[in-house]
Amino acid sequence: GDSVTQMEGPVTLSEEAFLTINCTYTATGYPSLFWYVQYPGEGLQLLLKATKADDKGSNKGFEATYRKETTSFHLEKGSVQVSDSAVYFCALARPGGSQGNLIFGKGTKLSVKP
Amino acid sequence: ETGVTQTPRHLVMGMTNKKSLKCEQHLGHNAMYWYKQSAKKPLELMFVYSLEERVENNSVPSRFSPECPNSSHLFLHLHTLQPEDSALYLCASSQVEDASDTQYFGPGTRLTVL
Repeated sequence: GDSVTQMEGPVTLSEEAFLTINCTYTATGYPSLFWYVQYPGEGLQLLLKATKADDKGSNKGFEATYRKETTSFHLEKGSVQVSDSAVYFCALARPGGSQGNLIFGKGTKLSVKP
Repeated sequence: ETGVTQTPRHLVMGMTNKKSLKCEQHLGHNAMYWYKQSAKKPLELMFVYSLEERVENNSVPSRFSPECPNSSHLFLHLHTLQPEDSALYLCASSQVEDASDTQYFGPGTRLTVL
């Protein structure tokens, strides 16, 4: 069945380091792909998305490119800040149009030290 | 972000209590969702309402009872809960016609069952 696999954390980085959080997926068809972020004590916020192959989603310095050939949607940021400390979730929306069809990865906790 | 609001933000209840969680979306969406987020577990979809009709119920125990009186409001009625029901309950909304199936989340209600 459809699934999302993301790298296990926690990931600990120093401020201004380069960030990569890997995400791969299994799905039939062409799903939309998402990264959500959850700051401590809060709900999930949409960080970025891509709806077709080779699309690049970007927001707040974060980027991810929809790679159909490698079924991946890795999250990257060139220079992380302490305020980026959060849990990051990769997700896909199963194609087919039915509601409630988001599949989430288990989340990767990022801690950024000053 | 005030697109999706949830009240209360925190709730402590005994196993014999009855309480309700409320969600309101101000985005003009026509689909709403309840998710459960427990420690060390992936996000679990509980209920989906699309155009005010329940379209999915993922084998959720009957002690959880959803209600969607209109497209902007969603409730989760709780009764005779168990300690293992303690979790963060997240509400989300989306637009049925949005081909990307993007969901927008509220801040969540942190529920503790004693």
